[in-house]
Amino acid sequence: KNQVEQSPQSLIILEGKNCTLQCNYTVSPFSNLRWYKQDTGRGPVSLTIMTFSENTKSNGRYTATLDADTKQSSLHITASQLSDSASYICVVRPTGGSTLGRLYFGRGTQLTVWP
Amino acid sequence: DGGITQSPKYLFRKEGQNVTLSCEQNLNHDAMYWYRQDPGQGLRLIYYSQIVNDFQKGDIAEGYSVSREKKESFPLTVTSAQKNPTAFYLCASSGTGGAPGELFFGEGSRLTVL
Repeated sequence: KNQVEQSPQSLIILEGKNCTLQCNYTVSPFSNLRWYKQDTGRGPVSLTIMTFSENTKSNGRYTATLDADTKQSSLHITASQLSDSASYICVVRPTGGSTLGRLYFGRGTQLTVWP
Repeated sequence: DGGITQSPKYLFRKEGQNVTLSCEQNLNHDAMYWYRQDPGQGLRLIYYSQIVNDFQKGDIAEGYSVSREKKESFPLTVTSAQKNPTAFYLCASSGTGGAPGELFFGEGSRLTVL
């Protein structure tokens, strides 16, 4: 069964600290893996995208890594800011067939940054 | 600026009433989607459309209906047959250019059934 599991479910850190969010997936084969940021009451916004051949991708203070062998991805946030408080969602797109309507979403990690 | 506009942002409905959520995009995207988001759960696909006048059921289509008469518009109707309609609804679109398969989301519509 194709699944995407994220951990931790929630996380509280102090402003300025670093943190790492985890995403484990069983979707195989897959086309790409994205991390989205969703502010409370808003729509998700894409942070990074990685194909199976990529190991790391950065977007400012956000760095995503991918280990296709172990089917794990992580999102590392450096020098956290209050505006980083949001839900971070891991999304995997499979390959093959008609994949237009088939994306696998994790449940998200709710990050809270305290001053 | 290009984007996706959902309306209304908040909507209250009495049981037994149908409601329609609007979704408009000016990104010239062919594909559009409707997702439902409940607390502690991942996004679940309700319906999607690849081209005008064509749409496909997603994982939780029961109690919902859509239309795609124009490329820019993909309204969702939540019917009285939907047993638990209170949720946050997200509309999204994707195109064939740029980063493959990236979804662009609207700001969402929160439906509450009283």
